[in-house]
Amino acid sequence: QKEVEQDPGPLSVPEGAIVSLNCTYSNSAFQYFMWYRQYSRKGPELLMYTYSSGNKEDGRFTAQVDKSSKYISLFIRDSQPSDSATYLCAMSVPRNTGNQFYFGTGTSLTVIP
Amino acid sequence: AAGVIQSPRHLIKEKRETATLKCYPIPRHDTVYWYQQGPGQDPQFLISFYEKMQSDKGSIPDRFSAQQFSDYHSELNMSSLELGDSALYFCASSPRGSGRFGYTFGSGTRLTVV
Repeated sequence: QKEVEQDPGPLSVPEGAIVSLNCTYSNSAFQYFMWYRQYSRKGPELLMYTYSSGNKEDGRFTAQVDKSSKYISLFIRDSQPSDSATYLCAMSVPRNTGNQFYFGTGTSLTVIP
Repeated sequence: AAGVIQSPRHLIKEKRETATLKCYPIPRHDTVYWYQQGPGQDPQFLISFYEKMQSDKGSIPDRFSAQQFSDYHSELNMSSLELGDSALYFCASSPRGSGRFGYTFGSGTRLTVV
């Protein structure tokens, strides 16, 4: 079983829709939770990060973490065609040598104009 | 703002050849990470360096080696290339201690082994 599970999609929504992206994890040692956006043939770009359970909002994006359920979500409001990309969740656990990151497989999102 | 620079952007090699990928981190970032991302796969951690010393090791094959130089740039050396090595190779950098909140990725090197 992978440390981080993410539905690969693909997900296709009309412009203006609310998008919900989700990941589950099994390692309770994960302390930091991140969402990356990756456009085709580009490197992942950090969108949001959070540490504690609860919600964190940044513009049209809201990251939600539920540590008790080992479940994280990214909500995109008023989705735009420019949001079309692959979204990767990532989690990290501190180790003596630094922070070890684990990624989900990514969810491919297409926002249709 | 300066980003993580990787070179080359694209590389085509034949089986059993060698390849060297280069990564130039963001200025004042002292930690470099290497990831391999196959088609439709999540990035797989290969190796990381902090202050020119290897700090962590992931699923890096023995045929691969890497190092970080005095100017903090890093090189990933790949020998005896196999078809399965075809992937996107990403480098990322962070300032030590800030890495727990994620780090900045380069645009990647697309390696194709034929």
